[in-house]
Amino acid sequence: GDSVTQMEGPVTLSEEAFLTINCTYTATGYPSLFWYVQYPGEGLQLLLKATKADDKGSNKGFEATYRKETTSFHLEKGSVQVSDSAVYFCALSDQGAQKLVFGQGTRLTINP
Amino acid sequence: NAGVMQNPRHLVRRRGQEARLRCSPMKGHSHVYWYRQLPEEGLKFMVYLQKENIIDESGMPKERFSAEFPKEGPSILRIQQVVRGDSAAYFCASSPTWDSNQPQHFGDGTRLSIL
Repeated sequence: GDSVTQMEGPVTLSEEAFLTINCTYTATGYPSLFWYVQYPGEGLQLLLKATKADDKGSNKGFEATYRKETTSFHLEKGSVQVSDSAVYFCALSDQGAQKLVFGQGTRLTINP
Repeated sequence: NAGVMQNPRHLVRRRGQEARLRCSPMKGHSHVYWYRQLPEEGLKFMVYLQKENIIDESGMPKERFSAEFPKEGPSILRIQQVVRGDSAAYFCASSPTWDSNQPQHFGDGTRLSIL
């Protein structure tokens, strides 16, 4: 079945550091890929998405590129801020299947 | 606020009681999804509903759990005879169409605690 694997957390960085959170997936079809962010006590918010190979999703300085050849969708940001501290989830939805399949989440803490 | 609304935000039940979780989708959305998040884990799909129909319940436990999305009113996730292992955050999401390219919009969740 479909699955998503994220890098182990937690991740702790200093402000203005470069961020990469790895995400790889397994899917039977051609999935759409998403990154969601969850702040403490809240629901998930869509951060960015990509719906086909080589698409790049971007939002609030975050980027991720849909790499079909490596089945990856790594999240990157050039200079993180304290306000980026949250849990980040990579997810996919396969064609014809509306449900989202999530990775286990990566907790990110940014220190000033 | 036209977002996905869930209530209650927090729910405490004793073992053996019933829990009812409510979800009102975003305006114009007729597709509702329920997910469960255990502590320090990702979200796991439970059920997908459209108005008056269950489309996919492949993630629902076989017993004690049920869901509905009536023609009028919110979607309800019902857990009968709750046990300690039901303690989790339950999230509802909605989308305007069945299109898997469309992102789902999430509510803030209901945190269920079983005493």
